[in-house]
Amino acid sequence: EAGVTQSPTHLIKTRGQQATLRCSPISGHTSVYWYQQALGLGLQFLLWYDEGEERNRGNFPPRFSGRQFPNYSSELNVNALELEDSALYLCASSQDHNQPQHFGDGTRLSIL
Amino acid sequence: QQQVKQSPQSLIVQKGGISIINCAYENTAFDYFPWYQQFPGKGPALLIAIRPDVSEKKEGRFTISFNKSAKQFSLHIMDSQPGDSATYFCAARTRSGNTGKLIFGQGTTLQVKP
Repeated sequence: EAGVTQSPTHLIKTRGQQATLRCSPISGHTSVYWYQQALGLGLQFLLWYDEGEERNRGNFPPRFSGRQFPNYSSELNVNALELEDSALYLCASSQDHNQPQHFGDGTRLSIL
Repeated sequence: QQQVKQSPQSLIVQKGGISIINCAYENTAFDYFPWYQQFPGKGPALLIAIRPDVSEKKEGRFTISFNKSAKQFSLHIMDSQPGDSATYFCAARTRSGNTGKLIFGQGTTLQVKP
């Protein structure tokens, strides 16, 4: 069974640009979660999508947004990139919100 | 009240020894406590998880001990091996996952010396 896949592996952007990160959940999983893992700040919850709807978001500005597609894949968009957005962005999926979350290997976003 | 506090920040153990990582929480609405293992360049992998209705759960060399009254839980790695060298995160989630989010501890970097 394929795990959670994320693309791209690495992404380099400059300040003010926009970034799009993609996630394919484990087959059969309908819930997708996004987390930011920044150096020194641990893993911080960003967004939760279930059945195509945004169900919850963490304490991040509105320039962090995303969506979930009918096939349950998801993308995270970050607008007006700032230096402090440099981090590993992790996607996780679960069968439903009561089930364990399984993570992908992340997208490393570097802002120059 | 949403925090999960994890200690120690780093840990060095000899091969064959016991590694112990501790976590504490305040929010009594938490009802699911997983542990994740993360190797460099990889995402966190679910190791073992526990709910508050049990005091201990064991899977192979990994054991979670849970103290509901003290609001603390810990991971014990028995017979630690160099391959266990990784960063370990405890986490907590509110009742029935109704917020979706896991709240993570700050992580413990474990080094097992041969």
